[in-house]
Amino acid sequence: EVQLVESGGGLVQPGGSLRISCVASGFNFNIYEMNWVRQAPGKGLEWLSYIGSNDISIHYADSVKGRFTISRENAKNSLYLQMSSLRAEDTAVYYCAREADIGPHFDSWGQGTLVTVSS
Amino acid sequence: SYVLTQPPSVSVAPGKTARITCGGHNLGSKSVHWYQQKTGQAPVLVIYHDTDRPSGIPERFSGSNSGNTATLTISRVEAGDEADYYCQVWDSSSDHKVFGGGTKVTVL
Repeated sequence: EVQLVESGGGLVQPGGSLRISCVASGFNFNIYEMNWVRQAPGKGLEWLSYIGSNDISIHYADSVKGRFTISRENAKNSLYLQMSSLRAEDTAVYYCAREADIGPHFDSWGQGTLVTVSS
Repeated sequence: SYVLTQPPSVSVAPGKTARITCGGHNLGSKSVHWYQQKTGQAPVLVIYHDTDRPSGIPERFSGSNSGNTATLTISRVEAGDEADYYCQVWDSSSDHKVFGGGTKVTVL
């Protein structure tokens, strides 16, 4: 069974940094492209970032480019999102999502981790 | 950047048909994917590549895409279909994924 489990969310002050993680199981993580998607409270889904299976291809939404960094560690079946210069509007549930092998759509999602940016 | 437009809400009686639209410029030239998100849960893929259903998704869910509009159709609506539904495409010009604003389906 495919599983994606996010962790690392919490309360952080404006201007602060936080790294969230996603551990994958039940599939060959090494060959799948991965993404981060977030959802602010009461709002819709917002795609944030993509990373190819081999780290070479990376893309960011304009809203986070220059502040967030996506990375992966295939040996640990793990996906990361390093977030810096956090703002109140970054408050959201952050999901990791597996890109389908016949994508680009998302065929598996984690349960999400809540990041709250507040003083 | 590419924009997808969805109606905020759709209401439907049990047993009837719900149609959720997703609009975008020349959308018919792109592949559209649909997700269902129930309250407090992660999204679930229900339609991909305009018309395909993942395994485990009931045949009551179907999709179409032509011109500037894609449509998710839910036939014989059940109470358990009450959820938010999002359309999504890949914008090749920016290499970004794009979501519509979402449509809340209420079963009367």
